[in-house]
Amino acid sequence: GESVGLHLPTLSVQEGDNSIINCAYSNSASDYFIWYKQESGKGPQFIIDIRSNMDKRQGQRVTVLLNKTVKHLSLQIAATQPGDSAVYFCAENRDTGTASKLTFGTGTRLQVTL
Amino acid sequence: GAVVSQHPSWVICKSGTSVKIECRSLDFQATTMFWYRQFPKQSLMLMATSNEGSKATYEQGVEKDKFLINHASLTLSTLTVTSAHPEDSSFYICSAGRTSGTNTGELFFGEGSRLTVL
Repeated sequence: GESVGLHLPTLSVQEGDNSIINCAYSNSASDYFIWYKQESGKGPQFIIDIRSNMDKRQGQRVTVLLNKTVKHLSLQIAATQPGDSAVYFCAENRDTGTASKLTFGTGTRLQVTL
Repeated sequence: GAVVSQHPSWVICKSGTSVKIECRSLDFQATTMFWYRQFPKQSLMLMATSNEGSKATYEQGVEKDKFLINHASLTLSTLTVTSAHPEDSSFYICSAGRTSGTNTGELFFGEGSRLTVL
């Protein structure tokens, strides 16, 4: 069925290295994607978003890449820091015209080692 | 940035009692709010869409009589877990979108409410 999923449940990265978190989606009709960071016991925190008319979008230390051909989304974090340790979710919007209904992926836990 | 507040942040109750969780948009009006449920080490699952002034829209498999949603104003939605049982123990998260008419993007999440039913 339709789903938004992640390839890796846990990613361990050394401090200072770059992190890449991947996400696959199955609905080609999705036109908006968001990456969220969730720390333990807290709600999701917006990181960066991208619309389907774009392939790449950069923020501060983060870059999101969208490959619509293979329905793949990735989040790149440059110079990973201990404060980046959290669970990262991708989310997609499938209801164009409906405000903000999102479907979340399964999540990847990022562990930053010193 | 916009703030969405949830209350209580955690609650412990006895089996059979009802628990109300509030979701407030503090500095913007939200025609639509969303309620999610998250089990440990799992993703957020959308439970229902809360529409101001009308009935909530529930996702498949979510009991509307079990999870009562009221969106009486543009800044407040409430989720009431009725006759709670231990299996209802979970982390409940709300999100709110601005009434700007734009599609997504302006979506803000609360800090979540952890419910433990004994």
